[in-house]
Amino acid sequence: NAGVMQNPRHLVRRRGQEARLRCSPMKGHSHVYWYRQLPEEGLKFMVYLQKENIIDESGMPKERFSAEFPKEGPSILRIQQVVRGDSAAYFCASSLGQGNQPQHFGDGTRLSIL
Amino acid sequence: GENVEQHPSTLSVQEGDSAVIKCTYSDSASNYFPWYKQELGKRPQLIIDIRSNVGEKKDQRIAVTLNKTAKHFSLHITETQPEDSAVYFCAASNNTGFQKLVFGTGTRLLVSP
Repeated sequence: NAGVMQNPRHLVRRRGQEARLRCSPMKGHSHVYWYRQLPEEGLKFMVYLQKENIIDESGMPKERFSAEFPKEGPSILRIQQVVRGDSAAYFCASSLGQGNQPQHFGDGTRLSIL
Repeated sequence: GENVEQHPSTLSVQEGDSAVIKCTYSDSASNYFPWYKQELGKRPQLIIDIRSNVGEKKDQRIAVTLNKTAKHFSLHITETQPEDSAVYFCAASNNTGFQKLVFGTGTRLLVSP
C-alpha cells in the first residue's frame, strides 16, 4: 500500500514562472491537505480538498495560488508568477476524512526560486 | 482561530533519559491532538495521537497526556535513543468538518550517546 506520493521532490523555478506540485493520496483516501513549511519553522495549513471540491482554503494566499483535486488524477497545487518568498517545502497529506482521521504526509516538494 | 504553542524549542538529553515536550492550545473546541516526528529533509511522520475523550495514551516508549481543562498536552519519550533525535511537532484540530491541523513551532530533540 503506497503512501502519499508527491512529485517532483525538488523544483527550481525562476521568478515569474509557474510551479505545479502534484500529490497522489494514499489508496482509499479521498481527502487531501496542503501545508507549507519554511526553513526552521512549523507547517502552515494552506488548503483542504475532497474530490472535485475545495473544502477550506483559508490558508491560501488570495493571489497566484490555486489548488484542485480532480475526479481522476492527483491533486495539483499551482503557483503562478512565483516570487522568492514562495521558496519553501510544500507537503501534502491525506486522510480517510471521516471524523478526525490521522493525516499521513508525503515526502514534500522543495521549491526553490532563483 | 486556533493557536498552538510548543516548548521547549530545543531539548538535549543523554541516551536513556526521558524527554518531555509540552504544547498549549487556545480553541476549546479542539478535540484531536497528533504528534509528528520529522527528521532532517524528510516527511513529518505521525508517531502518536490522542482524542479529547481520553486523558492519556501510550505506545511503547512514547506517551501523550491531555489536560482539557488547562488546554495543554504533552509528549513523553522514555529511555531515549540517538535515533529519537529529530524535530517533534504537536498539532491540534477540531471535528467541525474542516480538519486542518494547526501545528506548534517544533522542538528539536537531540539525544547524545
